[in-house]
This record gives sequence, structure tokens and C-alpha cells, in this order.
Amino acid sequence: GENVEQHPSTLSVQEGDSAVIKCTYSDSASNYFPWYKQELGKGPQLIIDIRSNVGEKKDQRIAVTLNKTAKHFSLHITETQPEDSAVYFCAASKAGKFYFGSGTKLNVKP
Amino acid sequence: KAGVTQTPRYLIKTRGQQVTLSCSPISGHRSVSWYQQTPGQGLQFLFEYFSETQRNKGNFPGRFSGRQFSNSRSEMNVSTLELGDSALYLCASSPIGFDSTDTQYFGPGTRLTVL
Repeated sequence: GENVEQHPSTLSVQEGDSAVIKCTYSDSASNYFPWYKQELGKGPQLIIDIRSNVGEKKDQRIAVTLNKTAKHFSLHITETQPEDSAVYFCAASKAGKFYFGSGTKLNVKP
Repeated sequence: KAGVTQTPRYLIKTRGQQVTLSCSPISGHRSVSWYQQTPGQGLQFLFEYFSETQRNKGNFPGRFSGRQFSNSRSEMNVSTLELGDSALYLCASSPIGFDSTDTQYFGPGTRLTVL
């Protein structure tokens, strides 16, 4: 089956700095890669996603890159703000089945 | 559109009891998946329902079961509760789910505490 690894498990940055979270996957048949943000006491919220026919996607301060050859994808958050503090999950999807990374706790210090 | 709703939001049960959780997907979504989230194990897939049929199943014991109704609403049941069942149970819906590019949208979860 698919195996998704996510690093780092915790990340602390200063407000205004950039944050990068990386994930690798094992199954080359996976072709959809969403990222979720989970705040305390809430369910995961989709923040950005990328499909395997695209190498990069950007939405304001958030961007995702995908390297199909190396089987890894990354989340980039620029100009971080305290409200970006949360747990972020990556996922790889194949035929409608989702496999999640273990999560990254991002702390943005004001 | 209204998002995924889950009821109840919090539950406290004792060992040996059973519990039923409910999930209403986004209108028009026909696939409903359930996940268990714990600090140590992360997000673990329980099962997925589509058109009232269980289509996929994770590696959980038979004490965990579910069903889906004709209006796509879904319930999951845990019988003979154990302390280790304490977790956040998340429901996610997607339009079809079989297409690998379908997005899953999560509900707020039900926090189950087993004493």
C-alpha cells in the first residue's frame, strides 16, 4: 500500500519568515495530493491541493510543489502570521483512497 | 453549501458500552469516509461508504462498523468500548470518491472519551 512520510514533525518560525513542510510517498500511482490545516478542536481544512499533471500551484501566500520522479511534494508558506499556527497534514490519493502523513505542528512566533 | 456536520461533538462513555456517531455529508456528496485521529497514530482510515455500500475498509476490529443511508448520511458504531478507543472521529465527504482527484472535506469531528 501507499506510505506517506512527512517532515518535520514540529516547526517553529518567526512571524514573517517562510515555512516549508515536505512529504514523500511510495506509490507512483498516487496522483492527487491535498494539504490540510487543522486548528485545535477542529477538523482538517483543505488549504491547497495539486494533481499529478501539475508541478506547482500557488494561492496567495501558500504554494505546493510536486516532483513525481522523486515522489515528493512540499508545502511552502511565505510571510507567516501567528494565525498560520496549526497542524498541517499532507496526503496522497490513489483511486479515491487517501493516505495521510503524520502531521507537522507549525508554531509562528510573533 | 453547508459543510460536513457531525453529531454529537463530544461524548463520554465507559468501557463496555457502545456508541453511535452520525455524519451528514455536503449536499450532493455520495462518498463518506471515517477516520480515527489520535496523538500517537495520526489519521487512520476506518472505512468508506458509497451508495449505501462499504467500498473500502481499514485495519480496525469488527467492533467498528458503519452504515450509510439513502440520503448519504452515515453512522458509525463502536461496540464494547475500550479505553484505547478514546479519539477524535472524523468524517469526510467527497462527490464520488472513486475518482482519485476528488477532494475530501472533513467535518469538525466527534471527540469520544472512554472512561
